[in-house]
Amino acid sequence: EPEVTQTPSHQVTQMGQEVILRCVPISNHLYFYWYRQILGQKVEFLVSFYNNEISEKSEIFDDQFSVERPDGSNFTLKIRSTKLEDSAMYFCASSSGVANQETQYFGPGTRLLVL
Amino acid sequence: GENVEQHPSTLSVQEGDSAVIKCTYSDSASNYFPWYKQELGKGPQLIIDIRSNVGEKKDQRIAVTLNKTAKHFSLHITETQPEDSAVYFCAATPPYNFNKFYFGSGTKLNVKP
Repeated sequence: EPEVTQTPSHQVTQMGQEVILRCVPISNHLYFYWYRQILGQKVEFLVSFYNNEISEKSEIFDDQFSVERPDGSNFTLKIRSTKLEDSAMYFCASSSGVANQETQYFGPGTRLLVL
Repeated sequence: GENVEQHPSTLSVQEGDSAVIKCTYSDSASNYFPWYKQELGKGPQLIIDIRSNVGEKKDQRIAVTLNKTAKHFSLHITETQPEDSAVYFCAATPPYNFNKFYFGSGTKLNVKP
């Protein structure tokens, strides 16, 4: 069964450093997402991406964040200058984009720790 | 925007008993309600979903009910097993913003053997 994959599984970085989180969505899906989950809290929407552009973003997704689909398979989240409060689990998800098939499939996540 | 509330935050049941987790939503236009199970260290996995044109859906030991009038939906797990222990999240999404899921705060289910 196809699945969303993410790398790395864990990332430790120093405050102020740039990080890039990588995701490979399910191959025939058209919509891609990033979510964040701070330890013990709910999963929060960050951004959705379709047709090579952001379709929606939350208030969390400020100028420090960017997303890119650099090739036909990868989908990345970049945090330009990490802050302590960026420490969280980051999940990538994808959905088919077919009408009435809104189901989003999540990857295993990247645990980011900012020191 | 949509706001989803989920209760209880923790639920402990004896193996074989039933578990019920409830969610309410605020936007009456929301029409798709998935439930996700998250095991420790893993990403959320879809376990069941329901659309607003259906009142109930069942898949083996798992069922979901939807009350559109009251704007709430519930997950029912019967004959619970230790491997059902996980965090469960409900979500809602409106048709005008179908690519954005609004998640509940999660329920940690503990099934005691």
